[in-house]
Amino acid sequence: GAVVSQHPSRVICKSGTSVKIECRSLDFQATTMFWYRQFPKQSLMLMATSNEGSKATYEQGVEKDKFLINHASLTLSTLTVTSAHPEDSSFYICSASRAETAMNYGYTFGSGTRLTVV
Amino acid sequence: GESVGLHLPTLSVQEGDNSIINCAYSNSASDYFIWYKQESGKGPQFIIDIRSNMDKRQGQRVTVLLNKTVKHLSLQIAATQPGDSAVYFCGIDSWGKLQFGAGTQVVVTP
Repeated sequence: GAVVSQHPSRVICKSGTSVKIECRSLDFQATTMFWYRQFPKQSLMLMATSNEGSKATYEQGVEKDKFLINHASLTLSTLTVTSAHPEDSSFYICSASRAETAMNYGYTFGSGTRLTVV
Repeated sequence: GESVGLHLPTLSVQEGDNSIINCAYSNSASDYFIWYKQESGKGPQFIIDIRSNMDKRQGQRVTVLLNKTVKHLSLQIAATQPGDSAVYFCGIDSWGKLQFGAGTQVVVTP
């Protein structure tokens, strides 16, 4: 089955530094990748959608200069949290999708990255 | 976009009983719906999905019902087991973008 690998699973960084999170589709080519953020006891909130080779589309209220997304290949997308602050501490989750048929899309999720900014 | 809850409601169910988890959505153009289970510290795990041209779909111990008229879907879990304790989210696909409902914490008691 489809597998998405997300790395690292946990990261602690100092305030003001940048952190990069990787999301890889291991056995399929992901036409689109999504990045979500989840605060404790809350739902997953879509941050941005990225298609390979094009600029990411950010959801309203998400700062594109703060959360840099690069989708350089059909198997890799990265999210960089720039100049991280304690309020950026959260659980970040990626998802990869592929068009399996004209009417069906499969979404596969990574295992998430727990970011703690101190 | 879809409504996102600020807190998770909790459903407490006795082991062996059936569970029903509900989800409301707002976008009538949504055409694909997925139920996920999330355990603490992990990513969402696929349970079952349904397309908008269906109103019911069954899997192993799970059934998803879709009512497009009132924009509501539900997940029924038969004979709930301790391993079913988790947070359950509905995923709602609109134009190839998946957003999540508020989520429900299911707690299975012995």
